[in-house]
Amino acid sequence: ETGVTQSPTHLIKTRGQQVTLRCSSQSGHNTVSWYQQALGQGPQFIFQYYREEENGRGNFPPRFSGLQFPNYSSELNVNALELDDSALYLCASSKASGRAGEQYFGPGTRLTVT
Amino acid sequence: GQQLNQSPQSMFIQEGEDVSMNCTSSSIFNTWLWYKQDPGEGPVLLIALYKAGELTSNGRLTAQFGITRKDSFLNISASIPSDVGIYFCAGRDGTSYGKLTFGQGTILTVHP
Repeated sequence: ETGVTQSPTHLIKTRGQQVTLRCSSQSGHNTVSWYQQALGQGPQFIFQYYREEENGRGNFPPRFSGLQFPNYSSELNVNALELDDSALYLCASSKASGRAGEQYFGPGTRLTVT
Repeated sequence: GQQLNQSPQSMFIQEGEDVSMNCTSSSIFNTWLWYKQDPGEGPVLLIALYKAGELTSNGRLTAQFGITRKDSFLNISASIPSDVGIYFCAGRDGTSYGKLTFGQGTILTVHP
């Protein structure tokens, strides 16, 4: 069984630029959630995608957007990057039909904005 | 954003000792989960709890879903060096599918 994978592992961007992060869900999972984890903090929910649509959103501005593809993989896009966007971005997948809340995380993408 | 109150923030223990940590919230949760995160990795699910009062074990780990549904506890028995890492609690309410609210983590250090 293949786990959640994310790419790239690390990324350095300049303030004002745009970035796209990618996630492949675990085999058999059709729901993807994205989280932002600042240094020394717990993950913060950004949004969730189910059936290629946004299914719920946390307290993040519209410049954070996403996509889900028919194979359940997902992208997180961030426009007009700010210094505070520097964080570990985590993707988690789950079975929509399974025990709700059992989300399995990928290794994350470390984004640094300079 | 909202976070759960997790304590203690850090623990330094000797190998073989038992460990207890807890998480509290002002809101009710339907599901409590405990994750462990190693440096440079994503959180790994340890235990999931679905009913108030539920007590669940996973090897040397035992977790409980508080009766008030506003708290949860994790115990690790006979700690070993590989238990080192950051432990996070997470709660899921019934109003938003899949959204997890995390605590700020407990950093565990185990001295051999």
